[in-house]
Amino acid sequence: GENVEQHPSTLSVQEGDSAVIKCTYSDSASNYFPWYKQELGKRPQLIIDIRSNVGEKKDQRIAVTLNKTAKHFSLHITETQPEDSAVYFCAATDSWGKLQFGAGTQVVVTP
Amino acid sequence: EAEVAQSPRYKITEKSQAVAFWCDPISGHATLYWYRQILGQGPELLVQFQDESVVDDSQLPKDRFSAERLKGVDSTLKIQPAELGDSAMYLCASSPKESGPNGNEQFFGPGTRLTVL
Repeated sequence: GENVEQHPSTLSVQEGDSAVIKCTYSDSASNYFPWYKQELGKRPQLIIDIRSNVGEKKDQRIAVTLNKTAKHFSLHITETQPEDSAVYFCAATDSWGKLQFGAGTQVVVTP
Repeated sequence: EAEVAQSPRYKITEKSQAVAFWCDPISGHATLYWYRQILGQGPELLVQFQDESVVDDSQLPKDRFSAERLKGVDSTLKIQPAELGDSAMYLCASSPKESGPNGNEQFFGPGTRLTVL
């Protein structure tokens, strides 16, 4: 089945700097890669997703890149703000369409 | 904006007791998921429904867990008997599209935090 690994587990950045989170997956048939943000005590919320027919997608300060050959995808947050502090999860679908989540990255943005 | 509803938000129970969680997906969403999220980890799928039918329950501990979605709308997840290791956040999610090899956006509820003493 699908195995998703996510790094780093914690990330501390200064406000205004960029943050990058990387994930790898094992199932070459995976074709959907969402990223979720989960603030403390709140529900996971989709912030951006990408499908396998696209190499990069951007939404304001957030971008995701996908390298299907290497089976890895990354989340990029530019000009970080304190409200970006949260746990971020990457995920990938397996051959059956089931989402497999990474272990999460705790992002802390310090003013 | 419509959201997935879950209740209760918190549940404390003693081991060997029975517990039940309820989920009401976004209206019109055909696919419903139950996830378990252990502290410090990502959500893990327990069961997936397409309308009222189970399409994936491979990770559901069927000796103690059961789930139903009788009318293809709201759903109940039950644990009987609860064990200490069941302490976790139980998240419900729904998706407007049919399940299949192409993944789709899932909308999560606020979760039920279960503590088993």
